[in-house]
Amino acid sequence: DQQVKQNSPSLSVQEGRISILNCDYTNSMFDYFLWYKKYPAEGPTFLISISSIKDKNEDGRFTVFLNKSAKHLSLHIVPSQPGDSAVYFCAASAAYNQGGKLIFGQGTELSVKP
Amino acid sequence: GAGVSQSPSNKVTEKGKDVELRCDPISGHTALYWYRQRLGQGLEFLIYFQGNSAPDKSGLPSDRFSAERTGESVSTLTIQRTQQEDSAVYLCASSHWALNDEQYFGPGTRLTVT
Repeated sequence: DQQVKQNSPSLSVQEGRISILNCDYTNSMFDYFLWYKKYPAEGPTFLISISSIKDKNEDGRFTVFLNKSAKHLSLHIVPSQPGDSAVYFCAASAAYNQGGKLIFGQGTELSVKP
Repeated sequence: GAGVSQSPSNKVTEKGKDVELRCDPISGHTALYWYRQRLGQGLEFLIYFQGNSAPDKSGLPSDRFSAERTGESVSTLTIQRTQQEDSAVYLCASSHWALNDEQYFGPGTRLTVT
């Protein structure tokens, strides 16, 4: 039972353009959502998060949008840079019921071409 | 300061042998998590320690898997009678005790069961 799904295993974008990574979830108890970035042979690093009481959170070039009715979130990167090339994982938690454990999607490999 | 460290970085073992993986969390972090990532998959939650509370073991895939944590420091994940399907990267993360606090990941231990 995949509670968090990233249906695109890969995405290729030209440098300077917008990258949009998508994530869907099924558990309505999730109240906190995060994006992590992972380079090969390294652990994931936190990128940006959003609480379920918000629909948008912005941090520099990164913006996360949450659509609770559709159980969908997306990460926008603009402008995309070659250094953004990595695997991006969407994660969710139902913190007030289940503590801090995160449920991850399968990841989307982003390639930003110069 | 130092991040989360894990050892060994790589482990190759024969099917049926026991293995022990180690995680040193960031000093002062009271919460510690173990995840695993199989090839081409997302991160899968295994177990979560928070201070002196009983650990959340809901993600452990079988009774061959166990983990311990001494106080708020080192944790070891033990896999008994390893099977080929146990081959994965095992990731440890730690965080301050606050709901939704950022989890900092170690580089992982790549386990290969032959």
